[in-house]
This record gives sequence, C-alpha cells and structure tokens, in this order.
Amino acid sequence: IQLTQSPSSLSASVGDRVTITCRASQGISSYLAWYQQKPGKAPKLLIYAASTLQSGVPSRFSGSGSGTDFTLTISSLQPEDFATYYCQQLNSYLQAFGPGTKVDIK
Amino acid sequence: QVQLQESGPGLVKPSQTLSLTCTVSGGSISSGGYYWSWIRQHPGKGLEWIGYIYYSGSTYYNPSLKSRVTISVDTSKNQFSLKLSSVTAADTAVYYCARDGRYCSSTSCYYPLDYWGQGTLVTVSS
Repeated sequence: IQLTQSPSSLSASVGDRVTITCRASQGISSYLAWYQQKPGKAPKLLIYAASTLQSGVPSRFSGSGSGTDFTLTISSLQPEDFATYYCQQLNSYLQAFGPGTKVDIK
Repeated sequence: QVQLQESGPGLVKPSQTLSLTCTVSGGSISSGGYYWSWIRQHPGKGLEWIGYIYYSGSTYYNPSLKSRVTISVDTSKNQFSLKLSSVTAADTAVYYCARDGRYCSSTSCYYPLDYWGQGTLVTVSS
C-alpha cells in the first residue's frame, strides 16, 4: 500500500487553519495514523484510527477520512506546530509512511 | 512511562554489519502483547519502516530490506536488536526504535507507533 501526501510543503501564519491530505493506493478503512516531527527529534503520534486524538495532543488537531482519502487539520496554527507531518497506514503488517508535509512559517 | 533508548556504533564500514540495540524501560517487553519496531530516516528524508518483532520472536520485515535485516529480542534484558548486513553509504540514516501500541475499540484494534527512542545516527563510511 502506497501513501501520498499533499502538499509536500506549505507556508502558513500563526492562527491559520491548515489542512494536509493523505491518500492511500487502496482502501485501508480507518487504519491510518498521523505523526508530527520536529527537526532533530523523533516523530510524535498525534492521531490514530484516522480520527482518534492521542492522549495529550491539543484539540486543535483533528483527523478525518476513511478508505483512501484522509485529512489532518490544524484549526489554529500555533508556533510550536511548525514541523513535518507524516501519515502512516496501519492496515497491513507491512507498515508504510507517507512522504511527509513540511509546515513552515510564512 | 515507557522509554526506549537506542545504542550501538555510530560509524560502520561498508560491507560490514550494522548492529543496534534498543533498551526498553518503564515496562516489560514481554507483557502487553506489543510489537517492537525499527524505523530509519535518511538525512533530510522521510521515514522508512524496517521491521518489527513480537516478544515471542515473530518478525515482519520491509520487503526492500528483508534479505539483509534481522531483528531479535532478548526478554531477559528487556531489549530488542537490529542487524543490517552488507551496508553501503545508502544505509546512512538515523535509526529509531519504537513500540507499536495497541488501541482497541469494540470492533477493531490499531497499532500506531506510540513510544519512540530519540534516534541514533549511523554513518556508513570507510
């Protein structure tokens, strides 16, 4: 199963609403996770089951979608949210990540 | 709080075997029914899943690396390990170990990577 993400990068301002899309090459139901990675740090789990927020993750993050098309939304971008975001399919034992979306400051 | 820590040489010569160990603290590797993963990230690039192991020793590997990868577990030391043979410069990367969490609803279970080590850079060079 291949994952694509769009856009590959975006520039946004604090307070903006940001949407990142992940598309799977075949249906994966809701078996999708989202991660945030900051430079020099390990990825951090944000969302699993396509829309379930991991404990401790701010509510401005939300996920949606099922099947092949998924979305990560940040409702009001904060300074600490500038990072790269990856989706990951959890549908098969052969795990795969999307190529990432870098969110930087406009 | 589960914590993971990678250890091993930061420099490996071409054609040799890369060996890394992940030490798990704050929980037993053999309880809870978790899988334990290795992931790598080439400099400036995205994440690549290498493979994972169950405490019983069952393994699954990325097909693109399968011929060169061995993941093993030592429950007595609460560790799991990665060996990657015949390395080249293309294997230079930050290597992460992580736990595949298990989150179940009434109908499905999900196994995202919920705890990660800090990562260790391995450079392949003579």
